Amino acid sequence: RKEVEQDPGPFNVPEGATVAFNCTYSNSASQSFFWYRQDCRKEPKLLMSVYSSGNEDGRFTAQLNRASQYISLLIRDSKLSDSATYLCVVNLRGSYIPTFGRGTSLIVHP
Amino acid sequence: EAGVTQFPSHSVIEKGQTVTLRCDPISGHDNLYWYRRVMGKEIKFLLHFVKESKQDESGMPNNRFLAERTGGTYSTLKVQPAELEDSGVYFCASSQDPRVTQYFGPGTRLTVL
Repeated sequence: RKEVEQDPGPFNVPEGATVAFNCTYSNSASQSFFWYRQDCRKEPKLLMSVYSSGNEDGRFTAQLNRASQYISLLIRDSKLSDSATYLCVVNLRGSYIPTFGRGTSLIVHP
Repeated sequence: EAGVTQFPSHSVIEKGQTVTLRCDPISGHDNLYWYRRVMGKEIKFLLHFVKESKQDESGMPNNRFLAERTGGTYSTLKVQPAELEDSGVYFCASSQDPRVTQYFGPGTRLTVL
């Protein structure tokens, strides 16, 4: 079983749609969680950290479920510019070494 | 503020040759990381510097890979001799506080023929 698993997609949605991605992690000692965004042939960029209480940044909401060992990313009112690959990243407790998921591809069409 | 820069952006070499990749982190960032993404796979950690010291090099695939960060500023990653399976995108990242986030460079796309 992979340490961090994501549905690769692609998720193909129209503009304005709401879309959600899940990411599961296998190690219960995982401590820090992040969503990164990666555009085609570009570097990953931090989208948001994921806190135990959940957090929201504009149209983006991230949540953590420790009991079930998954994190989620919800995008409301999708824009064409949201098209990208979304990477789930997990750090073990006490470690600064991130484990990446393979990413979920999102395509937002007109 | 200048971001993380990497050189070259692309490199095409033949099996058995040597290639050296360079990373210039954001000024003042003590933490520097190297990662690799092989096509179709997830990004994998290679190693972590704190200033000039190797903090963790558990991800280095074998002794054909040598990373240095003399003076604690820029870093180089040398592959010698290169093999076909070394092809991929090599990312460098730096951070001031690794608990928060890392800033990635644009990557070097290495192709070994």
